[in-house]
Amino acid sequence: QVQLQESGPGLVKPSETLSLTCAVSGYSISSGYYWGWIRQPPGKGLEWIGSIYHSGSTYYNPSLKSRVTISVDTSKNQFSLKLSSVTAADTAVYYCARTSGYSGYGSGYMDVWGKGTTVTVSS
Amino acid sequence: EIVLTQSPGTLSLSPGERATLSCRASQSVSSSYLAWYQQKPGQAPRLLIYGASSRATGIPDRFSGSGSGTDFTLTISRLEPEDFAVYYCQQYGSSPPVTFGPGTKVDIK
Repeated sequence: QVQLQESGPGLVKPSETLSLTCAVSGYSISSGYYWGWIRQPPGKGLEWIGSIYHSGSTYYNPSLKSRVTISVDTSKNQFSLKLSSVTAADTAVYYCARTSGYSGYGSGYMDVWGKGTTVTVSS
Repeated sequence: EIVLTQSPGTLSLSPGERATLSCRASQSVSSSYLAWYQQKPGQAPRLLIYGASSRATGIPDRFSGSGSGTDFTLTISRLEPEDFAVYYCQQYGSSPPVTFGPGTKVDIK
């Protein structure tokens, strides 16, 4: 079955760039779907960060757009997130997920999720 | 941006009881592009319902979704011990961003 696994540093210094990768197994990213990132600050709700298609087409949350870059590497069957100029407010569990039921603008519901990775922003 | 409001914030019920969770949108959600997720502590969210009323693969039929426009409901017909969790609604019918509601916690009375 389709599985997603996030990886990356668990600690990032303020003003630096957060970088995470999501490895996909059991399905080829090149076959379709949008692939996205969602985050959840400690004790809070979910925030959609953005999504990407295998062609490289991306959509971002306008609130984060100036700091976010999502990219895809079909040869490695993975996609990545970069978030620049981080602050303590970016401390969260970061999830990658497959987007299904595509409704336009990179949007849909998330039917397969990774387990999440905790990123703390602190000096 | 469509803002989702969920009520109640916390629902205290006993196993076997019926749970009714509400999700209200600040504007109409096109084509009923509304999903529900369940999240347990330390776990990723799990998709329950999409398209307002379609159950995701493997979801028991005690979970049902309804509604359209701005008002949506998730109903759990008879609570099982494993159903005590936080439930989020999500809309995906508008231009970015996809948005989530703040969640409803269903806990044991």
